Amino acid sequence: DSGVTQTPKHLITATGQRVTLRCSPRSGDLSVYWYQQSLDQGLQFLIQYYNGEERAKGNILERFSAQQFPDLHSELNLSSLELGDSALYFCASSYSGSEGYYGYTFGSGTRLTVV
Amino acid sequence: DQQVKQNSPSLSVQEGRISILNCDYTNSMFDYFLWYKKYPAEGPTFLISISSIKDKNEDGRFTVFLNKSAKHLSLHIVPSQPGDSAVYFCAASSGGYQKVTFGIGTKLQVIP
Repeated sequence: DSGVTQTPKHLITATGQRVTLRCSPRSGDLSVYWYQQSLDQGLQFLIQYYNGEERAKGNILERFSAQQFPDLHSELNLSSLELGDSALYFCASSYSGSEGYYGYTFGSGTRLTVV
Repeated sequence: DQQVKQNSPSLSVQEGRISILNCDYTNSMFDYFLWYKKYPAEGPTFLISISSIKDKNEDGRFTVFLNKSAKHLSLHIVPSQPGDSAVYFCAASSGGYQKVTFGIGTKLQVIP
């Protein structure tokens, strides 16, 4: 157990629907990152939050949004889902957000299947 | 634009031998490089890192080598063990507060 909790572990939904993925960071960590891993793709950075505020944005679609709440948990909202959104979505956390040097702690991921 | 490239999707090695996983990068601004290991149904776990001011970093059986002029790094695992069978991601960042960019991974199989 890495200490980063992602729910649900699996999600199957239809095209056009909206889903919410949840992440609870490791205790004490202030920064949360979301990554997407599609088939044969690396981990694509989506977005980073630090202590409730957006810090960095990657290749995140406009149909996707995220937020980090006062208790530091984060949610990734995916709407108007398409078949191509099927992927593993990982959340990672770190203490200060400067851990590009020391590595993040990842959760076990949410596998989203859009049918 | 794939800034971190792992050109070998898979690698098979006999137990006890050396495993060498390679990674190339294109962004000259990268100054920190990391390797993560991922088992099925788990998230990636941080393995080892190296700063651009060094050319080698060692941690037990794992050694990472960095060749800045060639924009190339490699991970050596000696001796390889069956438990090392996993997907290995190469990653890089430019400055501690910047996002980490990952490669697509190399699946290592260590054969007993």
